[in-house]
Amino acid sequence: EDQVTQSPEALRLQEGESSSLNCSYTVSGLRGLFWYRQDPGKGPEFLFTLYSAGEEKEKERLKATLTKKESFLHITAPKPEDSATYLCAVHNQAGTALIFGKGTTLSVSS
Amino acid sequence: DTGVSQNPRHKITKRGQNVTFRCDPISEHNRLYWYRQTLGQGPEFLTYFQNEAQLEKSRLLSDRFSAERPKGSFSTLEIQRTEQGDSAMYLCASSLQRPGTSTDTQYFGPGTRLTVL
Repeated sequence: EDQVTQSPEALRLQEGESSSLNCSYTVSGLRGLFWYRQDPGKGPEFLFTLYSAGEEKEKERLKATLTKKESFLHITAPKPEDSATYLCAVHNQAGTALIFGKGTTLSVSS
Repeated sequence: DTGVSQNPRHKITKRGQNVTFRCDPISEHNRLYWYRQTLGQGPEFLTYFQNEAQLEKSRLLSDRFSAERPKGSFSTLEIQRTEQGDSAMYLCASSLQRPGTSTDTQYFGPGTRLTVL
């Protein structure tokens, strides 16, 4: 069964303290791994798509990487405005529905 | 680019009442998805449309749920005889599926928060 597991569930950082979020996935034939950011009470905001092992994408302080079994979202020198829940998802085998993990809630304090 | 919009943003109803939500996708997008999200969980897939055709439904979509996308534009999600367990955030997403590709990027709306009393 296709499955996505994210860790840790929650992460507290000081401003400027870099860290990584993990997303482990089990899927038959990866058709894309997606990272979204979600603020409280809002819909997920698209960040990155990764398609093959070794691929990397960057946006401001965020960098996403992909291996055959997991993806990492690296946050470099975070700021309080980076506080949010970060969701990881993969396509189902049909390439339609997204299968999400439960997310990692990041809190960055100044 | 106006993004995906959803109305209403919040809905409070009593158990047993019917509710209807609306989603307006990004204008050129041919796929439209509905998801449900409860507190502390990631979104869960409910159903999706390719243009006006409803092509896939989750087992989460009970007989009380119905979705339409007339003319391949906006979509509505109706829940009949609401139950307290239906309380959740209902999210709509849209994407552009290009011919010859096997994947798409889904863009989400702000969601409709349903509370069933």
